[in-house]
Amino acid sequence: AQSVTQPDIHITVSEGASLELRCNYSYGATPYLFWYVQSPGQGLQLLLKYFSGDTLVQGIKGFEAEFKRSQSSFNLRKPSVHWSDAAEYFCAVGVSHGNEKLTFGTGTRLTIIP
Amino acid sequence: SAVISQKPSRDICQRGTSLTIQCQVDSQVTMMFWYRQQPGQSLTLIATANQGSEATYESGFVIDKFPISRPNLTFSTLTVSNMSPEDSSIYLCSVRIPGRGSYEQYFGPGTRLTVT
Repeated sequence: AQSVTQPDIHITVSEGASLELRCNYSYGATPYLFWYVQSPGQGLQLLLKYFSGDTLVQGIKGFEAEFKRSQSSFNLRKPSVHWSDAAEYFCAVGVSHGNEKLTFGTGTRLTIIP
Repeated sequence: SAVISQKPSRDICQRGTSLTIQCQVDSQVTMMFWYRQQPGQSLTLIATANQGSEATYESGFVIDKFPISRPNLTFSTLTVSNMSPEDSSIYLCSVRIPGRGSYEQYFGPGTRLTVT
């Protein structure tokens, strides 16, 4: 079965600094990959997705992610974080079993300091 | 994307009672999903609810505890039955939008349930 690992439980960065959140997946073939963000008390919002093609994908709110097959990774990046980026970030994977199910990582909580 | 609403947004319930959570979408969707997010945890899929068929439950979740209805293409309910404090969680519904990429799901705002 597929799995998703987010090694960092909590990350703190200064406002204006760059950000990289790590995500590793375990699956033999190329999966469908997603990053979601959950602000306090909110549901999940889709930031970006990778299905195929260009391995660098752009999302909303200035986020991007790069799919690296050799490393089984799909890390999320942002060149300059804003205080409003403080939230919980979840990486998710879907595999081609036709059931449309997503498997979520354990999440990374991002704290922004002034 | 679709606009997804859930009712109630939060509730405090006594153990042994049941709560029905509603999920409404502003467009017709085939696939709807129900997730549980326990405090400080990630999302766990409870079941997939497709219109016109019985819900498909994940390992560890049973219909008697979490009955689901899907009467039409824009609405679903999840009932948490005979609640215990361990059922205190955020319950989220999500939908798969037709025409969007495979596996791409959009989430409702969640229902925060506290069982005392």
